[in-house]
Amino acid sequence: IVMTQSPATLSVSPGERATLSCGASQSVSSNLAWYQQKPGQAPRLLIYGASTRATGIPDRFSGSGSGTEFTLTISSLQSEDFAVYYCQQYNNWATWTFGQGTKVEIK
Amino acid sequence: EVQLLESGGGLVQPGGSLRLSCAASGFTFNNYAMTWVRQAPGKGLEWVSSVSSSGASTDYADSVKGRFTISRDNSKNTLYLQMNSLRADDTAVYYCARQYYWGQGTLVTVSS
Repeated sequence: IVMTQSPATLSVSPGERATLSCGASQSVSSNLAWYQQKPGQAPRLLIYGASTRATGIPDRFSGSGSGTEFTLTISSLQSEDFAVYYCQQYNNWATWTFGQGTKVEIK
Repeated sequence: EVQLLESGGGLVQPGGSLRLSCAASGFTFNNYAMTWVRQAPGKGLEWVSSVSSSGASTDYADSVKGRFTISRDNSKNTLYLQMNSLRADDTAVYYCARQYYWGQGTLVTVSS
């Protein structure tokens, strides 16, 4: 399964809304996670099951979609949200696939 | 609290071998499949290999098939990745992961 994220880079001003997209080459049902990664750090789980926020994740982060089309929305960008975001499918327990990432940068 | 702690990374020459370990705690290790993911410098995340909870089933990315071996010791709550015939393009941070949980990674550098 190939995961495709868009855009590659998103320039957003603090306080604005950011919408990130992730598409799967075939249905992954709701077996989709979103991760945030900052330089020098491990990926941090934001969303699993396509729309469930992980423990401790602020409610400005929301996920939606199922099947082949998914969206991560950050409702009002804070300074700490500027990072790279990856989607990941885990429809098969043994084989994970990641999108290429979307870099959210300060406009 | 779930914790995954990788070790065993370092500098190795092309063609050499290295074994990574991942010590798990905070959950019932033998109930979960485990996975290795890597990230080359400045690049994205790449799934490497997974092993079932019992260790009976494994899967590998084509890029490492035949060179890497994943295994686990459920009595020691430890995951392993034996890496042979290492190449420069295997240089990466290697992460141990369980569904939704990741370690902090260990750096493997393949260079002469």
